[in-house]
Amino acid sequence: DAKTTQPNSMESNEEEPVHLPCNHSTISGTDYIHWYRQLPSQGPEYVIHGLTSNVNNRMASLAIAEDRKSSTLILHRATLRDAAVYYCILFNTGANSKLTFGKGITLSVRP
Amino acid sequence: DAGVTQSPTHLIKTRGQHVTLRCSPISGHKSVSWYQQVLGQGPQFIFQYYEKEERGRGNFPDRFSARQFPNYSSELNVNALLLGDSALYLCASSLGLYEAFFGQGTRLTVV
Repeated sequence: DAKTTQPNSMESNEEEPVHLPCNHSTISGTDYIHWYRQLPSQGPEYVIHGLTSNVNNRMASLAIAEDRKSSTLILHRATLRDAAVYYCILFNTGANSKLTFGKGITLSVRP
Repeated sequence: DAGVTQSPTHLIKTRGQHVTLRCSPISGHKSVSWYQQVLGQGPQFIFQYYEKEERGRGNFPDRFSARQFPNYSSELNVNALLLGDSALYLCASSLGLYEAFFGQGTRLTVV
């Protein structure tokens, strides 16, 4: 499985933008970049995914480097409810469509 | 619309016992996956079922088994429980190949 590398933790202030980085230098051409987040005492929640182009949805934006070896999840205005563990995952729509989670990055949001 | 529901929410078992965990996917979702999450780690893939057939299996011993029923609900069975099986067991359902929806999980404690 292609691996991702994320910092262990990051802190942010409420209502400020947050940029969560992810390195995936061994990404293959058919790997999608997925982000999930897990709030305390809950199951993971889908945030966003992309292949090559930058993506936006109501929750976040995903910026993908031109060589696809890194990506950044952008929360435009962090709220206290955004405090969670964020997982960057490479997903291949092959025969075994599993999500391979790492340890993720723990985001803390200060009021 | 109901999300993924798992039962029970909490469970305490003794070493050597057997346990059955249940999952009801979102209506219309034909794919169900199971994950194990131990404290401080990301979820680890156990099984994926699609249209009642096993499509993927993670690196777990044969004590772990699962099945999917005609209504697409699923059961995860674990035999001969060990202390190390204590974890949060998560079920996820999906319609296509991309966004997975997770339940709140079953917290299993083996004593």
